[in-house]
Formats: sequence, C-alpha cells, structure tokens
Amino acid sequence: LAKTTQPISMDSYEGQEVNITCSHNNIATNDYITWYQQFPSQGPRFIIQGYKTKVTNEVASLFIPADRKSSTLSLPRVSLSDTAVYYCLVGTADSGNTPLVFGKGTRLSVIA
Amino acid sequence: DAGVTQSPTHLIKTRGQQVTLRCSPKSGHDTVSWYQQALGQGPQFIFQYYEEEERQRGNFPDRFSGHQFPNYSSELNVNALLLGDSALYLCASSTRGDYTFGSGTRLTVV
Repeated sequence: LAKTTQPISMDSYEGQEVNITCSHNNIATNDYITWYQQFPSQGPRFIIQGYKTKVTNEVASLFIPADRKSSTLSLPRVSLSDTAVYYCLVGTADSGNTPLVFGKGTRLSVIA
Repeated sequence: DAGVTQSPTHLIKTRGQQVTLRCSPKSGHDTVSWYQQALGQGPQFIFQYYEEEERQRGNFPDRFSGHQFPNYSSELNVNALLLGDSALYLCASSTRGDYTFGSGTRLTVV
C-alpha cells in the first residue's frame, strides 16, 4: 500500500480556508485517495474520496494533480468545530476487503 | 441511527487479565475490522472478519483474537493484557468499500 506523508499539525483562524497537502509518491494506477476526519474519542469519519482532478462535496474539496503523487484537502471557511485530526489514505476502492491504512494524520487546530 | 455500536465505552483491566470487546455493525454491512489506536497515533489494523472467518490480519500477536457471529456482529478478545495494550479500540464495518467506524472502546490497563 502506498505510504502517505502529511504535516503533523496546522493552525488556522475561524473563517479561513485550510489546505492540507498529502504526498503519496508511490500511488498505484488503481488507487484512490480518501480523507477521513477524527474527533477526540470518536472513530474516523469519511470526508471525501477522489481519483484525479477535483472532487467537491458539501464538506470539502479534493484537488489531485495529473501525476497523482500528491493531493490537497481544502476546507472552506473553517469553524471551531473543524478542529480534528485529518487522515489521508491511499488504496483501492474495492469490495471492502482491503483494510484501511492510517498514518499519523494532521492535527488541525482552529482558533477563534 | 443504524451506525456501528461498540461496547463497553470504557474499561479498566489489570495486567495479565483478559478482555472482550463487542461490535455491532451498521445495517447492511457484512465485514468487520478492528483497529487499535494509541494516544497521538493513527488507527492500526488488527484484523478483519468476513463470513465468520478472519480474512486478513495486521502485525499483532496471537494474544489478539476475534470472532464474527452469523448476524455479522463481532468480538475482539485480548489475553494476558500488557500495559501497552492501553488504547482506543475501534470497530469498523464495511461493504463494497463503504466504511463506518464506531466510537470505540477506551481500554486502560493498570
């Protein structure tokens, strides 16, 4: 499975846009990029998934360049409730038998 | 809410004891995976159950074992507890790549 590298932590003020970049130089052709969010004492929660270019949902946007060796999770106008750990995962979007592999994630702190 | 349910939420055990954690999967999910999350670390994969069999296993000793029942619920058993087993244990159910995590069981070994 492709290894990912993310910043350990980031700080942001409320109302700002936050971009978290993840490096995955060894991504395979059939790998997808998935981001999860985790609050303290809760399990990770799916945010967004993409294969290439740009994906947007009601929570975030995911930007993936043509070489797919990195990706950027963009959170628009963050609030205090966005304070959490964000994980970038790379793997096949198959029938569900491939275990998710988590790194240490990026701890985002949103300040008022 | 038909999400993933884990019990108990918190547990304190003594070194050397045995513990059983339980997980009820999200409705419609047939696969259950267990993860161990130490403080400040990402979740680490323990093993995965499908059709009542262990299908995949991470780098965990045999002290960690599990079971899946016909209704897809699952148990995680840990024998001979060590202080280092203190962690948040997460259960994730899935089907066709759609994963849902429970809120976990916080195990403290003293």
